Amino acid sequence: AQSVTQLGSHVSVSEGALVLLRCNYSSSVPPYLFWYVQYPNQGLQLLLKYTSAATLVKGINGFEAEFKKSETSFHLTKPSAHMSDAAEYFCAVSEWGNNDMRFGAGTRLTVKP
Amino acid sequence: GAGVSQTPSNKVTEKGKYVELRCDPISGHTALYWYRQSLGQGPEFLIYFQGTGAADDSGLPNDRFFAVRPEGSVSTLKIQRTERGDSAVYLCASSSTGTTNTEAFFGQGTRLTVV
Repeated sequence: AQSVTQLGSHVSVSEGALVLLRCNYSSSVPPYLFWYVQYPNQGLQLLLKYTSAATLVKGINGFEAEFKKSETSFHLTKPSAHMSDAAEYFCAVSEWGNNDMRFGAGTRLTVKP
Repeated sequence: GAGVSQTPSNKVTEKGKYVELRCDPISGHTALYWYRQSLGQGPEFLIYFQGTGAADDSGLPNDRFFAVRPEGSVSTLKIQRTERGDSAVYLCASSSTGTTNTEAFFGQGTRLTVV
């Protein structure tokens, strides 16, 4: 079955610094990959998704992620962190024909002033 | 409504009791998912509905858990003989088609505490 691993349960960056949240996936077939964000007391919100088109995917709020098949990775980046980016971020994977979307354990992003 | 609505937002129940958790999906969305999120973990798939039928219930942990969606809209997750290990946030999501590359919209969840 497909799975994802998020490296680092907690990442802390300074405001204006690069954000890098790591996600590696495992899938027996070409995957669909997603990044979701969860702000305090809110539901999960889709940031971006990869569905076998362009390998560099741009999402909302200045985030982007690059699908690298050779590395089985789908890391999330943002050039300059903003205080409002502080949240929990989840990577998820699914496969065509399989409705079971598997989530990683999440990475909590803290942004320091 | 504008988004996925889950009620109640919080539920405290005694061990052994029966509970029902409700999900109102986005109007017109045919696919509905239930997930469970334990502290410090990502959401864990429980069940998926396409219309009125449970297309995939492989994530339900045991026969104490059951879900229905009788009219293809509102869904209820039912837990019998609750155990302390059932304590978690139960998330509902809906999507327009249910294909796995379609965005799923999540509710804010129901926090279930079994004491």
